[in-house]
Amino acid sequence: DQQVKQNSPSLSVQEGRISILNCDYTNSMFDYFLWYKKYPAEGPTFLISISSIKDKNEDGRFTVFLNKSAKHLSLHIVPSQPGDSAVYFCAASDPTGANNLFFGTGTRLTVIP
Amino acid sequence: DGGITQSPKYLFRKEGQNVTLSCEQNLNHDAMYWYRQDPGQGLRLIYYSQIVNDFQKGDIAEGYSVSREKKESFPLTVTSAQKNPTAFYLCASNLQGNQPQHFGDGTRLSIL
Repeated sequence: DQQVKQNSPSLSVQEGRISILNCDYTNSMFDYFLWYKKYPAEGPTFLISISSIKDKNEDGRFTVFLNKSAKHLSLHIVPSQPGDSAVYFCAASDPTGANNLFFGTGTRLTVIP
Repeated sequence: DGGITQSPKYLFRKEGQNVTLSCEQNLNHDAMYWYRQDPGQGLRLIYYSQIVNDFQKGDIAEGYSVSREKKESFPLTVTSAQKNPTAFYLCASNLQGNQPQHFGDGTRLSIL
């Protein structure tokens, strides 16, 4: 049973515009959420995280929003750049499970120049 | 320059053969993890270790084995019992608790 879901397998955005990637989860025990970026044939690279005590965390062009009541988080990239083209994974940490991460299936972002 | 090194990058296995994937980290991280990624799927946890000489099964441990004799090293053996071993394998590590996991560049395993 997939506890973390990314329902959009792909997203295309024009350069300079906003990219919004979405993620839903089912386990209310998750207390820490992360976004990773992955290029082909490479390992994921940590991008940004948010604790469940916050509803927003910002780092440069990247902002993550958390809506606990809806069990939903989103990653906003503004402005989008061609170098942002990659697969983005959402992950959640379960403190009752040794803080292991549960990953979504990923969203492939393509930023069109 | 600290990081996680996985080797080899590509590996081929014959039917009935065991193979071992290497993972070394020089980040002084306590915890290490092995994940498997299949096309169109997220990462699934195979095994993890929070301390030397201790490790735990993840969601899909059947057909795999690990050891953690040193803090820096967490090798994964794909045994002949793993019936569908073709996948991209990723090793990760972090400090204990809610700290981001850092990943190696992966090993792609294929069956001959």
